[in-house]
Order: sequence, then C-alpha cells, then structure tokens
Amino acid sequence: KAGVTQTPRYLIKTRGQQVTLSCSPISGHRSVSWYQQTPGQGLQFLFEYFSETQRNKGNFPGRFSGRQFSNSRSEMNVSTLELGDSALYLCASSLGTGGSQGEQYFGPGTRLTVT
Amino acid sequence: AQKITQTQPGMFVQEKEAVTLDCTYDTSDQSYGLFWYKQPSSGEMIFLIYQGSYDEQNATEGRYSLNFQKARKSANLVISASQLGDSAMYFCAMSRHLYSGGSNYKLTFGKGTLLTVNP
Repeated sequence: KAGVTQTPRYLIKTRGQQVTLSCSPISGHRSVSWYQQTPGQGLQFLFEYFSETQRNKGNFPGRFSGRQFSNSRSEMNVSTLELGDSALYLCASSLGTGGSQGEQYFGPGTRLTVT
Repeated sequence: AQKITQTQPGMFVQEKEAVTLDCTYDTSDQSYGLFWYKQPSSGEMIFLIYQGSYDEQNATEGRYSLNFQKARKSANLVISASQLGDSAMYFCAMSRHLYSGGSNYKLTFGKGTLLTVNP
C-alpha cells in the first residue's frame, strides 16, 4: 500500500506571496491532518479534514487554510507569507473513524522557506 | 488543554543495550490516547506505538514497549536491543478521545528527545 505523499518536497517563496501544499493520504484513509514543525515551536496542529469537512482546527491565523477533495486528497494554503512561516509542513492520514485508535501516518513533509 | 513534557533533550545508548525515553503528560480528560513517533533526519514521522488510557496492559510492538503509569501520568518508551538505525528524534504525543469514541485526530506533541546509538 502506498504511503502518504506530499508535493512539493521543497519550496522557496518570498514574503507576501501565497503557497499551496498538497497531500495524498493512504488509500482508504479519509482523515487528513496538517502540522507545522519549527525549531522554536516544535510540532503544532493546524487542522484536520474528514469527508471534505474541517473537523478540528489549531490556533493559527486565518492566513492558513485548507480543504479536502472527494478523493480525500487535501491542500493547505498560506496567504501573505511571513518569514516565520518557514517550516516543515507535515501531512498525516488516518482512517478517521471509530475503527481507528487515532494513529496517524505521516508524509515526508514539505519544507517551506520564506525569504 | 493537553501538555506533553519530554525532559531529555538528548540521550546516548550503546548498540544492543536497552534505553528508556521519558514522557509525562497533563490532561483533564478521562479518555485519551498516547503515541510515540520516530523522526529520522529525513524528516518523516514514523508511528511506533499506541496506548489507550483505559488499556490495562502496556503496549508492545516488536522492540518497542510503552511503560504506562496512569497515576503518575507517564508514558515512557522502552527500546530494547538498540540498533544504529534507531538514532533519531523521538516524540511523545497525545490526543483526546471523543464522547462518541475514537480520537479527535489532533495530536499534541512534546519537544522530542534526540537518541544517538553508539556502535
């Protein structure tokens, strides 16, 4: 079974620009979560989507948004990029239903650098 | 709010020896899940082991076991017979369980412990 894929793997953007990151979950998984990892703040939860609906949201400004498509693929968008948005963005997939213990399987991440 | 504390920024262990990575947590929830993840230098987070708050037995997965002490709110990871490939960052995490059952799929992570296995 193929794992979680994220594209692109690396990205360099300029302050003020916007960026879209993509995540394809494991086949059969309907939940996709996004996390931001920085040296200073560690791993922080951004949001979780299930069946095209945002079920849970972390404490990030409105510049961070996401969506999920009917095939469970998810995209995350960051508008008006700031230097502090430089981070590793990790996507995780899970069954998303009661049959799961809640374990999430992560992709390789997208490393975003904002200059 | 949930909080995870990993007090060991770095740990060293000799190959083939066992090592314990500490994790304490704080939550007012009665039902929750505890997880350990491994992050090699490549960056990908690898799921290792899960423990539910109502599980009476400690979880085990191959060389990994979770020493769960609910009263002390600790969930230490024990790696037996360390291998060079075990060198990585290790993260303890937790999630809430919903009233309807199952996770809320929002993981709260600790700061991590960098494990180095020496030959």
